[in-house]
Amino acid sequence: KNQVEQSPQSLIILEGKNCTLQCNYTVSPFSNLRWYKQDTGRGPVSLTIMTFSENTKSNGRYTATLDADTKQSSLHITASQLSDSASYICVVSPSGGSYIPTFGRGTSLIVHP
Amino acid sequence: GAVVSQHPSWVICKSGTSVKIECRSLDFQATTMFWYRQFPKQSLMLMATSNEGSKATYEQGVEKDKFLINHASLTLSTLTVTSAHPEDSSFYICSANDRGRGEQYFGPGTRLTVT
Repeated sequence: KNQVEQSPQSLIILEGKNCTLQCNYTVSPFSNLRWYKQDTGRGPVSLTIMTFSENTKSNGRYTATLDADTKQSSLHITASQLSDSASYICVVSPSGGSYIPTFGRGTSLIVHP
Repeated sequence: GAVVSQHPSWVICKSGTSVKIECRSLDFQATTMFWYRQFPKQSLMLMATSNEGSKATYEQGVEKDKFLINHASLTLSTLTVTSAHPEDSSFYICSANDRGRGEQYFGPGTRLTVT
């Protein structure tokens, strides 16, 4: 069964600090892994997308890493801002077939001033 | 960039009535769209996969007669919640695959409250 596990479930940090979110998956065969940011009451917005051959991808202060061998990914947020407070969702898609992605439960990040 | 819109963004209805939610891909054609439901502080749960020109594929536990999906064109899918009950109150989100860009885009969501 395809699964995506995220940790921690929630995280509270002070503004300006860095943090790292984790994502482990069992989806196979693997096509791509995406990180989304979802503000409360809004739809998810894509931060990064990585395929099998990509190890690192950055989007501003967000840097995602992927280890396809261990099936792990991380999302690093640098110099956090209050606006980073949101839920961060890891989504892994299989290759071929119906292209139905598997969602993680998300990490709820709260940035305090 | 590619945008997926939803209408309405929020709706309040009385128990027993039906509500239709629209999902549109604005600058690309989407042969496949997905409908999700999200309860407070929980992850998105896939309800069904909407295929243009054919019947939707529903996930286990989702009643197809209650959640009617129509994917009438390459840019529009609709979800109708029939005979809504308070337990159907939730955040409904659609997404569409832009195969040309290899991207999956989400709509902004529709907040349904059934009183």
